[in-house]
Amino acid sequence: GAGVSQSPRYKVAKRGQDVALRCDPISGHVSLFWYQQALGQGPEFLTYFQNEAQLDKSGLPSDRFFAERPEGSVSTLKIQRTQQEDSAVYLCASSLTTTNEKLFFGSGTQLSVL
Amino acid sequence: KQEVTQIPAALSVPEGENLVLNCSFTDSAIYNLQWFRQDPGKGLTSLLLIQSSQREQTSGRLNASLDKSSGRSTLYIAASQPGDSATYLCAVDSNYQLIWGAGTKLIIKP
Repeated sequence: GAGVSQSPRYKVAKRGQDVALRCDPISGHVSLFWYQQALGQGPEFLTYFQNEAQLDKSGLPSDRFFAERPEGSVSTLKIQRTQQEDSAVYLCASSLTTTNEKLFFGSGTQLSVL
Repeated sequence: KQEVTQIPAALSVPEGENLVLNCSFTDSAIYNLQWFRQDPGKGLTSLLLIQSSQREQTSGRLNASLDKSSGRSTLYIAASQPGDSATYLCAVDSNYQLIWGAGTKLIIKP
């Protein structure tokens, strides 16, 4: 595709459910980032992949959060036993290089935990 | 710990005015500073990137400046248009992670 694609666009989950959020980066992009954006706030870094390698997961809030990019393209962010504080927009970004420069963002997945 | 602040949180101006958005950061050890635009329900679009060794960058009606020593950046928008209405966020690349401000919500009144 022409841009970064995220699905689903909206997700409503009951507290305690597991969810999986998908990111399709731009083809050939080496770097992939996940961010969490709470309402009225800037994004906060969650994790970073360089190809299939997860080089930084220091931003994941708890061990309920897990991300993977097994073939170096599509990535999935999984949240287990969702809590109300997990409600946010989850943004994915990709870059052709190994740096933060020239990032392309998806439209995000808005997660609401009831 | 790097912290990024944007003031004001919201700004409303008539069409045609020039305006300045502010971004401040606490740690001057940065690789670059970036300005993004976010439209409602959409992702972020990169506007300008200033390397740590640079003082400013320009793209069309946008000009961004960087003063590392004082921990400040400004985004200047000339001749504002209704289509400029969006939230503008700055982010500093600090230790290979982007640290973001909360953004300035800009409304340009026709």
